[in-house]
Amino acid sequence: GQNIDQPTEMTATEGAIVQINCTYQTSGFNGLFWYQQHAGEAPTFLSYNVLDGLEEKGRFSSFLSRSKGYSYPLLKELQMKDSASYLCAVSLKAAGNKLTFGGGTRVLVKP
Amino acid sequence: GAGVSQTPSNKVTEKGKYVELRCDPISGHTALYWYRQSLGQGPEFLIYFQGTGAADDSGLPNDRFFAVRPEGSVSTLKIQRTERGDSAVYLCASSLISGPNEQYFGPGTRLTVT
Repeated sequence: GQNIDQPTEMTATEGAIVQINCTYQTSGFNGLFWYQQHAGEAPTFLSYNVLDGLEEKGRFSSFLSRSKGYSYPLLKELQMKDSASYLCAVSLKAAGNKLTFGGGTRVLVKP
Repeated sequence: GAGVSQTPSNKVTEKGKYVELRCDPISGHTALYWYRQSLGQGPEFLIYFQGTGAADDSGLPNDRFFAVRPEGSVSTLKIQRTERGDSAVYLCASSLISGPNEQYFGPGTRLTVT
């Protein structure tokens, strides 16, 4: 089976940087996705990593280490609207890209 | 363009009843997925369609759950003899092709079984 772990909650200050760690144990790894989900809304795509390294996209970056089985997004210059759940999801080669999600990390941005 | 739509947005039903949840994917998306999300948890995979066929239904919890996609577009998730434990948000997602591509999620149907 697959095991995906991420912290349940984090608190950060407006304007700061937050890093959310996600560790996974899977076979047939075919990439890792991060989704953002505001309360009561659908998850929205943030990033996809399949190769090791950091990918940057404006205020949002995502890092992957396949050998160590972990990933993190970096959210910079935090804004109040960034308060949301952040979902780590692994895609498996033999599974038609079905996503296996972690439990999500609820990030609360305080002024 | 239009995103993934799901109806109804909310459904309250009594234990033992039958319900149907509908998903309208983004036009042209061949891959369609159903997930279930309980409060405070991540989505849990139920079933995946490639075109009209269910390519992977390994996530369906039991034989009370069934899904169809007869014309390769709209999909219906059907739950028979609902139980209180079926209460959750049912999310539908679609992607242009199968393989590691971005999945676009609908707003979900909140099912409450009383």
